[in-house]
Amino acid sequence: AQRVTQPEKLLSVFKGAPVELKCNYSYSGSPELFWYVQYSRQRLQLLLRHISRESIKGFTADLNKGETSFHLKKPFAQEEDSAMYYCALSGSRGVWDQGAQKLVFGQGTRLTINP
Amino acid sequence: ETGVTQTPRHLVMGMTNKKSLKCEQHLGHNAMYWYKQSAKKPLELMFVYNFKEQTENNSVPSRFSPECPNSSHLFLHLHTLQPEDSALYLCASSRQDHEKLFFGSGTQLSVL
Repeated sequence: AQRVTQPEKLLSVFKGAPVELKCNYSYSGSPELFWYVQYSRQRLQLLLRHISRESIKGFTADLNKGETSFHLKKPFAQEEDSAMYYCALSGSRGVWDQGAQKLVFGQGTRLTINP
Repeated sequence: ETGVTQTPRHLVMGMTNKKSLKCEQHLGHNAMYWYKQSAKKPLELMFVYNFKEQTENNSVPSRFSPECPNSSHLFLHLHTLQPEDSALYLCASSRQDHEKLFFGSGTQLSVL
């Protein structure tokens, strides 16, 4: 079964400090992993995906298959990073249901950046 | 409004009422989804539709009845709900061969 665990419900750091939001997953196949973010009064939106190996708004996330983790990191937090962050997992593209995917989400971590 | 639109934004209903949630997207996406977001649980996938066909029912009680008349519209018909069904119901859509889901703003449902 697919499962995503975000062990921290709340995380508070000071502006300029490094941030790491933890995500661990359970999946027997080759997963695709994502981070979604929800800023205050905005809708849930994709932040980044592991397959792209991209850095978005200074955030990066590396898939560690040995540790089954996909932690989100940013070296210097900014106040506008305050939001709810969700880690999500999908089966590998080969098991997509002909163009639709089934994302499994973690419980989310509320990140607060203090000035 | 562009993107994924959900109506109503808020809904209060009694346990014997029948109501419907509506979702529409004009992004040309082929897949649409219903998710439930409760206060103390992760986002739960309820239903998946792909090219109007239901491809996933995640053991959802029959008091929730989805309908997808075309690839742009998705409904969730509600009947004899329970107070524990109170939650934020999110609709999402995606394009074939692309991982990104686009979410609506959700309908906040309260069952009295």
